[in-house]
Parts: sequence; structure tokens; C-alpha cells
Amino acid sequence: AQSVAQPEDQVNVAEGNPLTVKCTYSVSGNPYLFWYVQYPNRGLQFLLKYITGDNLVKGSYGFEAEFNKSQTSFHLKKPSALVSDSALYFCAVRDISNTGKLIFGQGTTLQVKP
Amino acid sequence: GAVVSQHPSRVICKSGTSVKIECRSLDFQATTMFWYRQFPKQSLMLMATSNEGSKATYEQGVEKDKFLINHASLTLSTLTVTSAHPEDSSFYICSARRAGDRGHHEQFFGPGTRLTVL
Repeated sequence: AQSVAQPEDQVNVAEGNPLTVKCTYSVSGNPYLFWYVQYPNRGLQFLLKYITGDNLVKGSYGFEAEFNKSQTSFHLKKPSALVSDSALYFCAVRDISNTGKLIFGQGTTLQVKP
Repeated sequence: GAVVSQHPSRVICKSGTSVKIECRSLDFQATTMFWYRQFPKQSLMLMATSNEGSKATYEQGVEKDKFLINHASLTLSTLTVTSAHPEDSSFYICSARRAGDRGHHEQFFGPGTRLTVL
């Protein structure tokens, strides 16, 4: 069965410090991986995706993610956190059924303190 | 591009009434739309997959007679919560796949609808 795990419910970082939000996945075949961000009472905003190619993917708002096949991970990173980055982050993998369904992780709340 | 809207953004209704939520792709055609439900501080739970011109495919445990989905055009899908009860109170989010966007399966999300059933 396919699954996505985000092991941390919450990540706290100080503004200006680097941040990492962890994601591991379990799929058969090549994974299509996504990161989304959600602000309170809003829908999800796309940050970045890995389909193929370079393991380091750059996305919106200065975020990037590194695909690591051996560790089955796709951690989200940013070199210097902003207070405005505080939000709920979801990792997702495309379902192999070819219906286009996404399987989401449980979400990680990022809190960036001034 | 790839903007998805939802209407209404917030609705409060009495128990026993039905509520319709609209999901529109504003600048693209969407052959497939997805409906999710989200409880506070939790992940998104896929309720159903809606394909234009055909019946929706519901996830296990989701009552299709309770949550009616219609995808009548390439830009509009509706979710009707019938005979709503307080336990149906939730945040409902739709997403859309762009027609012809093969392979990557990127979804574009609407802003969500907060339903409160009194």
C-alpha cells in the first residue's frame, strides 16, 4: 500500500534559521511527490513537485526539497525561515491507480518565531 | 493560471437542510475534480473523484446518497450535503486536474468551504 508519513506534528524554528520539514514515502514504482502549504481557513497552495530528473527540486517562496530514493524521503527545506512561513505543510504522493488521486501525509505545522 | 474557486466560502445551516457547494476552474478545463474533507488540524480526506459527464467515484466509507456530486461541465463540479447534521460540519476543499495534463497529476486546490450545521 502506498503511504506518506510526516513524522513531526510541529516544527519550531527561529526566523533566519534554516528549516526542514520531513517526509518519507512508500510506493511501488517511481514516485511522484508533492509539497503543499495551507494557511488557516484556506485551501492548499502548491509549493513544488518531484517527477523525475534532479534530486533537488526548487519551488515557490524559496522552498526546495530533496528526493532521496535510498532513504525514500522527500524533505522540504528552506535556507532562511520567515515568520510568514508559519503554516501547515503537507507532503503528498500520487496514487499509482492513475486516477490522479493524491495520498497526503498527516501534515506538519511550522512555527517560525521572530 | 490554474485558479480554482469555491462558493460559498462559509455556510451555516440548520440540521436537516441540504447545502450545495460549487467548485469552479476559472481559467482552465478540468476533466477531473476531487472533493476532500478536512477536520481541524488534520489531513485531507479524499471523499470522491468527480469526472466530467460521468458518475463520481466515492472512497470507501463515504455515503454517496449523503454527499451528492455532479460534474456537469468541464469547469464546474458541485457537492451537495443532503440532510445535513452537526457531524457534517467540516472544511470541504475541492481540487481540479487540468484537461490534457497527462502524467504529472498536479492538482489545483480551491480555497475551501467552511460548513457549520447547527
